[in-house]
Amino acid sequence: EVQLVQSGAQVKKPGESLKISCKASGYTFTRSWIGWLRQLPGEGLEWMGIIYPGDFDIRYNPSFEGQVTISADKSLTTAYLQWTRLKASDTAIYYCARLNGYNDYWGQGTLVTVSS
Amino acid sequence: DIQMTQSPSTLSASVGDRVTITCRASQSISSWLAWYQQKPGKAPKVVIYKASTLETGVPSRFSGSGSGTEFTLTISSLQPEDFATYYCQQYDTYPWVFGQGTKVDVK
Repeated sequence: EVQLVQSGAQVKKPGESLKISCKASGYTFTRSWIGWLRQLPGEGLEWMGIIYPGDFDIRYNPSFEGQVTISADKSLTTAYLQWTRLKASDTAIYYCARLNGYNDYWGQGTLVTVSS
Repeated sequence: DIQMTQSPSTLSASVGDRVTITCRASQSISSWLAWYQQKPGKAPKVVIYKASTLETGVPSRFSGSGSGTEFTLTISSLQPEDFATYYCQQYDTYPWVFGQGTKVDVK
């Protein structure tokens, strides 16, 4: 059974760094793209970027390039999304999702709250 | 980026109603369109992919149609568990883009 399990909710202050994770299981991690999406409070869904763990090919949505870093660890079958300096406007739910063209499996979401 | 426009933004309906949601792409995306259902506090889940293919396990009252720039999601007989927000998403050209969502609520 394919599963994507994300790390827990985080509360951070502006300017702090953060790395959240998405642990994949039930399929060959290195053979599927996996991506990160953002959902602002009460809003719709936006693609942030995707990674192919087989060769670490990464593609960022230009809207998010330079704002976040996407990475993966093959040995841990885990994808990551990180910020070096959080802003209040980063407050959102972040989802990881496996790509099969469309997004066929999703993580449960990680709520990130950035507040002073 | 390709723009995706959904209508309506909100749809009020009753159990048993036939419901149709429309999604328009700013340029042709062939049939590379998916529909997702999201309930409050939950991750989205796919209901239709490749414009008209029903995801495994999704009830047959859901159907999708269209190609090019015009697409529809139809629920033939709305059930209580179908009240949710629905999003279309194009996956023809990166960055993939979602429609703004259609909330189906109780009339």
